[in-house]
Amino acid sequence: AQSVAQPEDQVNVAEGNPLTVKCTYSVSGNPYLFWYVQYPNRGLQFLLKYITGDNLVKGSYGFEAEFNKSQTSFHLKKPSALVSDSALYFCAVRALGKLVFGTGTRLLVSP
Amino acid sequence: GAVVSQHPSRVICKSGTSVKIECRSLDFQATTMFWYRQFPKQSLMLMATSNEGSKATYEQGVEKDKFLINHASLTLSTLTVTSAHPEDSSFYICSAREGQGAVYEQYFGPGTRLTVT
Repeated sequence: AQSVAQPEDQVNVAEGNPLTVKCTYSVSGNPYLFWYVQYPNRGLQFLLKYITGDNLVKGSYGFEAEFNKSQTSFHLKKPSALVSDSALYFCAVRALGKLVFGTGTRLLVSP
Repeated sequence: GAVVSQHPSRVICKSGTSVKIECRSLDFQATTMFWYRQFPKQSLMLMATSNEGSKATYEQGVEKDKFLINHASLTLSTLTVTSAHPEDSSFYICSAREGQGAVYEQYFGPGTRLTVT
């Protein structure tokens, strides 16, 4: 079965520091991978996706993610965190026409 | 990107009553829409996939007679929670698919907070 794992429930980082939110996947075939962000009481906002091509994917709000096939990872990164980046982040894989989400990682950026 | 709206954003109802939640794709046609449920501090769980003009496909463990889904047009899908109980209280999020085949985008609505008293 297709799945993604987000091993960290929460990530804490100081404003201005780089951030990484981890995601590993398990799929058969080529993976279609996504990152979404959710602010309190809101739906999901699309950040970026990997379908094919360059392993480094650039997305919205300065975020990027690196697809690593050998490590089956798709970690979300940002060079310099902002307090406003504090939110819940979901990694997802598309399988059989459906999105399968990870358990989410709460990012807390302190001033 | 495309916009998906949900109405209402919040609803409080009494136990035993039914509640209807609307999901609309505002600037594109969506032959397929998805309904998710999210419990506090948990991930999104897919409840069902609705296709315009046909019956919805429910995920295992989701009661189709309790969660009625109608996708009557290319821009509107509705989820009706029938005979609601407190355990149905949750955050419901819809999503609409734009495009067909292997290349498509999925856009999410802002969610509906349902509280059953």
